[in-house]
Amino acid sequence: KAGVTQTPRYLIKTRGQQVTLSCSPISGHRSVSWYQQTPGQGLQFLFEYFSETQRNKGNFPGRFSGRQFSNSRSEMNVSTLELGDSALYLCASSLAPGAMETQYFGPGTRLLVL
Amino acid sequence: KNEVEQSPQNLTAQEGEFITINCSYSVGISALHWLQQHPGGGIVSLFMLSSGKKKHGRLIATINIQEKHSSLHITASHPRDSAVYICAVRGGATNKLIFGTGTLLAVQP
Repeated sequence: KAGVTQTPRYLIKTRGQQVTLSCSPISGHRSVSWYQQTPGQGLQFLFEYFSETQRNKGNFPGRFSGRQFSNSRSEMNVSTLELGDSALYLCASSLAPGAMETQYFGPGTRLLVL
Repeated sequence: KNEVEQSPQNLTAQEGEFITINCSYSVGISALHWLQQHPGGGIVSLFMLSSGKKKHGRLIATINIQEKHSSLHITASHPRDSAVYICAVRGGATNKLIFGTGTLLAVQP
């Protein structure tokens, strides 16, 4: 079974631009979560989606948004990019939401904002 | 103070040594996760715990709910165990995953 895939793997943008990142979960997984990892803040939770509905959201500004499609694929969008948005963005999928569900992580998208 | 604290932040060990990484948390939790991240970013979920102890190969994870503390042990460490180990809890007021800052482990041959 293929793992979680994320596209693109690397991205360079300039301040003020917007970016869309894509995540395809493991086949049969219906829950997708997004995380941001930076050297200063470590790993931080962004969003959790299940059945096209956002179930939970982290403490990020409204510039960060996401959605999930009927095939469970998910996208996240960051508008008006800032230098501090440079980070590794990780997506993880699980069969369903829940504290004891194993999350399977994708390789991440490394975003550099210049 | 962070809601999830790990110690040590950095750890260097010789091959074969027994290793312990600690995680303390200050919120009520429904589950605790141990994750492994290799250079390049890939994260693997090692354990999920809500009580007691779990073992997988040379890895052992324990949790003490009353003391709000968990430990990850690696027996007979090997250079391929070199990675960042991250503790994460699901809980608190929002039931989101809250991560520790990670422990960078280097196992030297």
